[in-house]
Amino acid sequence: DTEVTQTPKHLVMGMTNKKSLKCEQHMGHRAMYWYKQKAKKPPELMFVYSYEKLSINESVPSRFSPECPNSSLLNLHLHALQPEDSALYLCASSTIRSTEAFFGQGTRLTVV
Amino acid sequence: GEDVEQSLFLSVREGDSSVINCTYTDSSSTYLYWYKQEPGAGLQLLTYIFSNMDMKQDQRLTVLLNKKDKHLSLRIADTQTGDSAIYFCAVCDDNNNDMRFGAGTRLTVKP
Repeated sequence: DTEVTQTPKHLVMGMTNKKSLKCEQHMGHRAMYWYKQKAKKPPELMFVYSYEKLSINESVPSRFSPECPNSSLLNLHLHALQPEDSALYLCASSTIRSTEAFFGQGTRLTVV
Repeated sequence: GEDVEQSLFLSVREGDSSVINCTYTDSSSTYLYWYKQEPGAGLQLLTYIFSNMDMKQDQRLTVLLNKKDKHLSLRIADTQTGDSAIYFCAVCDDNNNDMRFGAGTRLTVKP
């Protein structure tokens, strides 16, 4: 199983809503990532978890709150987002030495 | 942080070879990667190369690494219309698992 599964695939939310993005992998990877990708731009790193602990937070606003409940799951909790937060949110996982990083298909988020 | 640069566009005819280039700044990356992204989809790992290798071949794909010049290239032989996509070069700082992407090269294959 070399899949990283993200749910939902699409999400439309209002600026006062609270929602969560989910990511799951069963490859035994101990590094997991959240990326944000705007249209026609490369992915931008948001957060890195290593051994279920947050190791990198790239100055992401607090309205994005990551959580890694166990070695297979990664969540991104969303609250009070802005329309400019609309983007494709990609989850990835890898071994700690990053021999291969696998990406999910992404959640396309629209904030209205 | 790592800077990764790629040209933004490449157009080739079906059956020709495509060469996508990437340069990067000083890095402790053990592996360097090429990803493919089709419209509306996530990133698909195409291939990667270990930093002490010069070349890696995988079917129609050939990766060349010039570590001295910090230059990475991806050659696609016999390019097909299905190869039309955006190709991202990526390097990863081994010290903190910080993966950085180039801006992506949009490959257009004309019949």
